[in-house]
Amino acid sequence: SSELTQDPAVSVALGQTVRITCQGDSLRSYYASWYQQKPGQAPVLVIYGKNNRPSGIPDRFSGSSSGNTASLTITGAQAEDEADYYCNSRDSSGNLVVFGGGTKLTVL
Amino acid sequence: QITLKESGPTLVKPTQTLTLTCTFSGFSLSTSGVGVGWIRQPPGKALEWLALIYWDDDKRYSPSLKSRLTITKDTSKNQVVLTMTNMDPVDTATYYCAHIGDYVFCDFDYWGQGTLVTVSS
Repeated sequence: SSELTQDPAVSVALGQTVRITCQGDSLRSYYASWYQQKPGQAPVLVIYGKNNRPSGIPDRFSGSSSGNTASLTITGAQAEDEADYYCNSRDSSGNLVVFGGGTKLTVL
Repeated sequence: QITLKESGPTLVKPTQTLTLTCTFSGFSLSTSGVGVGWIRQPPGKALEWLALIYWDDDKRYSPSLKSRLTITKDTSKNQVVLTMTNMDPVDTATYYCAHIGDYVFCDFDYWGQGTLVTVSS
């Protein structure tokens, strides 16, 4: 399969923990990367590989994977974390790239 | 410091061919393991991967758009060019180019600002 599925919307209370998931057959073989996108801005990579954060990304962002599901966890969500989040990985063949449909995170 | 910037027309007519250029700095597309991809995003919709090209001129395309896309690189100019034929209003989107951070993970660690392309007669 070449699809990655995400929940369209998730909400979290300020300071609480939220998990955003991404499902797809390719995730059994390849790690997901995660991107944060705020309105009018380009996406920003927040997690890649097993659980790696690029420089400048707060450590409240973490990644994990189990079976066909990858997860992005935000521990202690902040108001500035309200954004759209996308996952991507290689497809099942390993030759192509796929993106999930995105999750809109609301911080209450 | 890696930077990328997309350039090209903001308005194209249906059936025309779109040519977008990604001009980058801070890395070389002649270095082993390096790649650049194109991703687009229709207004209010999700990201969609289009194509990528690696340092060794290996090229990959989205299966749904493969017949319409061509990606090339000019290492001497630090540019990657994407052409898309037979443009349609549904191709209206912001088009991004991005640097591939890791060959294995195929993550996009640096993105251009994006360029909005409108397809309309």
